[in-house]
Amino acid sequence: RKEVEQDPGPFNVPEGATVAFNCTYSNSASQSFFWYRQDCRKEPKLLMSVYSSGNEDGRFTAQLNRASQYISLLIRDSKLSDSATYLCVVNSNTGNQFYFGTGTSLTVIP
Amino acid sequence: NAGVMQNPRHLVRRRGQEARLRCSPMKGHSHVYWYRQLPEEGLKFMVYLQKENIIDESGMPKERFSAEFPKEGPSILRIQQVVRGDSAAYFCASSPSRVTLAKNIQYFGAGTRLSVL
Repeated sequence: RKEVEQDPGPFNVPEGATVAFNCTYSNSASQSFFWYRQDCRKEPKLLMSVYSSGNEDGRFTAQLNRASQYISLLIRDSKLSDSATYLCVVNSNTGNQFYFGTGTSLTVIP
Repeated sequence: NAGVMQNPRHLVRRRGQEARLRCSPMKGHSHVYWYRQLPEEGLKFMVYLQKENIIDESGMPKERFSAEFPKEGPSILRIQQVVRGDSAAYFCASSPSRVTLAKNIQYFGAGTRLSVL
């Protein structure tokens, strides 16, 4: 079983739509969770950390469900500039390794 | 404050040659991570280093690959006798201290794209 699993998509949504991505992880001892975005052939950039209580940053909301071992990302009022691949990232129980999902592709259509 | 610097950005090697990839972490960062991304795949952890120490190399292939982070200078990922399957994007990330409980995050360099002919 992979450490982190994501639906690869693609998700094609119109501008202004709300879209949600889920990610599941296998190691119940994981402590740190993140969402990164990666534009085509560029480096991953941190979008937001994910906290147990859930957290929001503008149009982006992240949730963590430890019991079910999944993480979600909600994007409201999608913009064209949100088009990217969204990577779910989970650390190992030792904290040394970070496991990346294969990413979910989002295209926001005018 | 310069970000994580990787060079070269693109590297072409013939089978059997050596590839050296360099990574200079952000100023003040002493932790370096190397990842490999194959086409259409996610990033795969390779190795985690601190100055002069390899902390975790469990993601590194046992043969031909090595990494170092000397007291002075950049971190180096070295691939000996490259094969076509080594063609990938290699990303380096740095953090200011051991990443725990989301207090510290990893900042990525732009990557080195290795092509093996």
